[in-house]
Amino acid sequence: GAGVSQSPSNKVTEKGKDVELRCDPISGHTALYWYRQRLGQGLEFLIYFQGNSAPDKSGLPSDRFSAERTGESVSTLTIQRTQQEDSAVYLCASSLFRTSGSSYNEQFFGPGTRLTVL
Amino acid sequence: KQEVTQIPAALSVPEGENLVLNCSFTDSAIYNLQWFRQDPGKGLTSLLLIQSSQREQTSGRLNASLDKSSGRSTLYIAASQPGDSATYLCAVPTSGTYKYIFGTGTRLKVLA
Repeated sequence: GAGVSQSPSNKVTEKGKDVELRCDPISGHTALYWYRQRLGQGLEFLIYFQGNSAPDKSGLPSDRFSAERTGESVSTLTIQRTQQEDSAVYLCASSLFRTSGSSYNEQFFGPGTRLTVL
Repeated sequence: KQEVTQIPAALSVPEGENLVLNCSFTDSAIYNLQWFRQDPGKGLTSLLLIQSSQREQTSGRLNASLDKSSGRSTLYIAASQPGDSATYLCAVPTSGTYKYIFGTGTRLKVLA
């Protein structure tokens, strides 16, 4: 079946503009994650959604960052008033959420959105 | 606070060698541990997932082990090939949450 998809694949914006990044998880996956990867660095957790539970927003770096998810489907990550330091690849992952079984909570990643803030 | 370390940071080996990549973590109260590979400019591909109740998982030439008590996991790659060249990442959740912390990776180059 289809994997995790993200759009756009590349986004170039000017400092101060707002951007929206989109993630379509694998159908049936109730958990969804957003991560940021700056050039040459590791992945940073941003936010986690699980079903109808309150999202874990503890990784969002500032109040300029927000994310929404409609039910168990599409998620959007919004960055307001972008800064040059926001330039990075933004990765989305989804997983099934179970409490037993051999492969529960295995994360599957999308190809990412490369954001460049000029 | 969960911290994840991967050693070595980079590794270059001739084709055919068996090799071991290491991942250590500070908080052993984890649900699972996942190994990924990342090719340049690409997303992450899941390789193996080990649940906290398991000691190892195998997929083809890959074998991952988990020792929760010592906070360690190893990824064993048998008979390495140039196509294995990539960055290998491990990830574990912070205690009691699904907030995953990633190591900085091991950059592997397999020479033909």
